[in-house]
Amino acid sequence: SQQGEEDPQALSIQEGENATMNCSYKTSINNLQWYRQNSGRGLVHLILIRSNEREKHSGRLRVTLDTSKKSSSLLITASRAADTASYFCATAYSGAGSYQLTFGKGTKLSVIP
Amino acid sequence: DADVTQTPRNRITKTGKRIMLECSQTKGHDRMYWYRQDPGLGLRLIYYSFDVKDINKGEISDGYSVSRQAQAKFSLSLESAIPNQTALYFCATSGGLAGGKYQETQYFGPGTRLLVL
Repeated sequence: SQQGEEDPQALSIQEGENATMNCSYKTSINNLQWYRQNSGRGLVHLILIRSNEREKHSGRLRVTLDTSKKSSSLLITASRAADTASYFCATAYSGAGSYQLTFGKGTKLSVIP
Repeated sequence: DADVTQTPRNRITKTGKRIMLECSQTKGHDRMYWYRQDPGLGLRLIYYSFDVKDINKGEISDGYSVSRQAQAKFSLSLESAIPNQTALYFCATSGGLAGGKYQETQYFGPGTRLLVL
């Protein structure tokens, strides 16, 4: 079963606005990752936040993690048309000889020029 | 990521046929993964391999098999293809240490679009 659930499923904004996407999950994790996918292409890693971290930044990206609420958010500031893509959160858990990286269904972001 | 290649990029096959999807990587990573993506859904893990002698089932392994021929090669087989295996298939890799921590970032290939008639 898929653990990560993104919200909203689709988001349309004007260029220059900020975009916020949320991810909720159900069980313990080692880390949470955000990926981007342009239509029909492979996923590209954006940022990884570990379970003992609360916030990370990378360029125009800001990710927060609240393990007590089992949720994360991805903020893209000053959006550009080139940010149009689907964004996926993935929760990673490893332990007892097993490993899981579970992806959500994604948020489809459209940035209108 | 050009360091992870998949062949073929597109494939049309018929129900009952055996097909193989291949993945090669030049990143020197030890871990490799196979996922499938269906329209409107996220990726689901089929199999993963942490090294040449380690193969593990993922969330949806039924109807699939894999072979890790070398550290750089990981192939996925559909023994008897069925229409609901029509999907976009991705290979991914991860590996290496940075700051003493294993790097869990996954690097994806361009995908193979499979249609089973």
